[in-house]
Amino acid sequence: AQSVDQPDAHVTLSEGASLELRCSYSYSAAPYLFWYVQYPGQSLQFLLKYITGDTVVKGTKGFEAEFRKSNSSFNLKKSPAHWSDSAKYFCALEIGTGSKLSFGKGAKLTVSP
Amino acid sequence: AQTIHQWPVAEIKAVGSPLSLGCTIKGKSSPNLYWYWQATGGTLQQLFYSITVGQVESVVQLNLSASRPKDDQFILSTEKLLLSHSGFYLCAWSPDWGRYFGPGTRLTVL
Repeated sequence: AQSVDQPDAHVTLSEGASLELRCSYSYSAAPYLFWYVQYPGQSLQFLLKYITGDTVVKGTKGFEAEFRKSNSSFNLKKSPAHWSDSAKYFCALEIGTGSKLSFGKGAKLTVSP
Repeated sequence: AQTIHQWPVAEIKAVGSPLSLGCTIKGKSSPNLYWYWQATGGTLQQLFYSITVGQVESVVQLNLSASRPKDDQFILSTEKLLLSHSGFYLCAWSPDWGRYFGPGTRLTVL
């Protein structure tokens, strides 16, 4: 069965630093991978996706992610980080169009001004 | 552009009382629709999905049921609420991949 792991439950950094949130997945075939952001008290917003093609994908709010098949990772990056990036970030895996979307446990990011 | 609306925004209900949460989507015909549940501070768990009117598949029931009475409407309900039903309920629709989420309904069961 497929699964998603976000090993860092809490990440804290200073404004202006580079941020990287880790995500690894377990699935034997080609995955569809996503990042979502959830601000406090709000729903989830789509950030970016990897379906196929270029392994570095750019999304909204200045984020990008790199798909690495060699180590089954899909890390989210942004530089520099801004205090408004403070939120919870979820990595998700879908194994086919319209099928179950499996979420990681999320990473709470705190960016101090 | 597609818009997804959920109602109510929030509910405070007593244990044992009934519940009905609604979701509508505009601007997309025959969408795939989903219900997700998120415990406070937790991750998302898919509950139900529907690809067409009158058809609903259960993923995790949690003593809840879902129905799709119209092409653009998805309903989540139960006759008897449990304390464990508290949380954030999100409706979502799917293009070919991924999900777009509605604003959610926050449910508190006392």
